Amino acid sequence: EDQVTQSPEALRLQEGESSSLNCSYTVSGLRGLFWYRQDPGKGPEFLFTLYSAGEEKEKERLKATLTKKESFLHITAPKPEDSATYLCAVQAGGSSNTGKLIFGQGTTLQVKP
Amino acid sequence: NAGVTQTPKFRVLKTGQSMTLLCAQDMNHEYMYWYRQDPGMGLRLIHYSVGEGTTAKGEVPDGYNVSRLKKQNFLLGLESAAPSQTSVYFCASRLYRGGPNYGYTFGSGTRLTVV
Repeated sequence: EDQVTQSPEALRLQEGESSSLNCSYTVSGLRGLFWYRQDPGKGPEFLFTLYSAGEEKEKERLKATLTKKESFLHITAPKPEDSATYLCAVQAGGSSNTGKLIFGQGTTLQVKP
Repeated sequence: NAGVTQTPKFRVLKTGQSMTLLCAQDMNHEYMYWYRQDPGMGLRLIHYSVGEGTTAKGEVPDGYNVSRLKKQNFLLGLESAAPSQTSVYFCASRLYRGGPNYGYTFGSGTRLTVV
């Protein structure tokens, strides 16, 4: 069964304290791994898509990496405005014609000034 | 561009009542999806559509119906609401063929409470 597990569930950081969020997945033929940011009361906002092991993408203080079993979202020198819930999702090989995504439960990040 | 627009934003229903949630996108996306989000459960797929006139069941379809009569609209119906359907509902859309940075575009959600 295709599955996505994110850890930790919640993370508290001081401003400037770098850390990483983990997304472990088991899927039959990975077509893509997606990272989203969700602010309270809003819909998820797309951040990155990764397709193959070894791939990396960056956006401001965020860097996403991918291996054959997991993905990491590295946050460098976070600021309070980075506080949000970060969602990981995968598209399995069997979903290539439907685009369906399987989501993890998310990691809620709080960055204190 | 408005992106993905969901209406209504909030609704309270009594058990047994019916309602329709509307999702409209102006990006000419082929694929559209309805998800529900519950605490500790993540986003779960209810129904989806790969094109006008087509729909299919997702992970948790029971108690819901959908229609996609026009490419830009995807409707989610609850025929007889139950308290277990209390949730936040998100609509999303995407292109059939995305580029290297493609992803879903989500609406802002509908918060539904069934009492």
